[in-house]
Amino acid sequence: QKEVEQDPGPLSVPEGAIVSLNCTYSNSAFQYFMWYRQYSRKGPELLMYTYSSGNKEDGRFTAQVDKSSKYISLFIRDSQPSDSATYLCAMDRNQAGTALIFGKGTTLSVSS
Amino acid sequence: DGGITQSPKYLFRKEGQNVTLSCEQNLNHDAMYWYRQDPGQGLRLIYYSQIVNDFQKGDIAEGYSVSREKKESFPLTVTSAQKNPTAFYLCASSGTTLGETQYFGPGTRLLVL
Repeated sequence: QKEVEQDPGPLSVPEGAIVSLNCTYSNSAFQYFMWYRQYSRKGPELLMYTYSSGNKEDGRFTAQVDKSSKYISLFIRDSQPSDSATYLCAMDRNQAGTALIFGKGTTLSVSS
Repeated sequence: DGGITQSPKYLFRKEGQNVTLSCEQNLNHDAMYWYRQDPGQGLRLIYYSQIVNDFQKGDIAEGYSVSREKKESFPLTVTSAQKNPTAFYLCASSGTTLGETQYFGPGTRLLVL
């Protein structure tokens, strides 16, 4: 079983839709979870950073962690064409940012 | 503005040639990293360094070399031993204490002529 699994998509939605992006993982020791957004031919930018279980909200974005199911989600409300990008989940093997493991990314396309 | 810069944006390599990718950060981060990104492969760690004058191999270090002579700089050399160098190369940096995470540069696209 891979440490982190993420459906590559592509995922296509109309503008205004609610988007759900997900990752599963196998290592129950993971405590820190991240979502990065990567536009085409650009470096990933940190979007959401959460610790342990629960929800974190930032504007139209909500990150959710369910440690009992080893499942993390990123929800995007009122999706916009500018949200079209690849979304990478990441988890921290050693809790100090120096040993991240990344999902392969989900490509999202939001059409106007 | 604090951040990570990578240069050049595009780099062309001839057969048998070594090329060096630059990465500089002004975030005062101790740790720096090099990743390779191929379509459908996600990010794969090449090398990382947690302190000046020290670095470790990542998952795919063969055909690559690095140096860390200054805290701000972590150049990556793609040697002629790397037979499939065409990829998008990303540099990142982070602190090394609890709760830190990594921040990325804009990337360098390497193409083989």
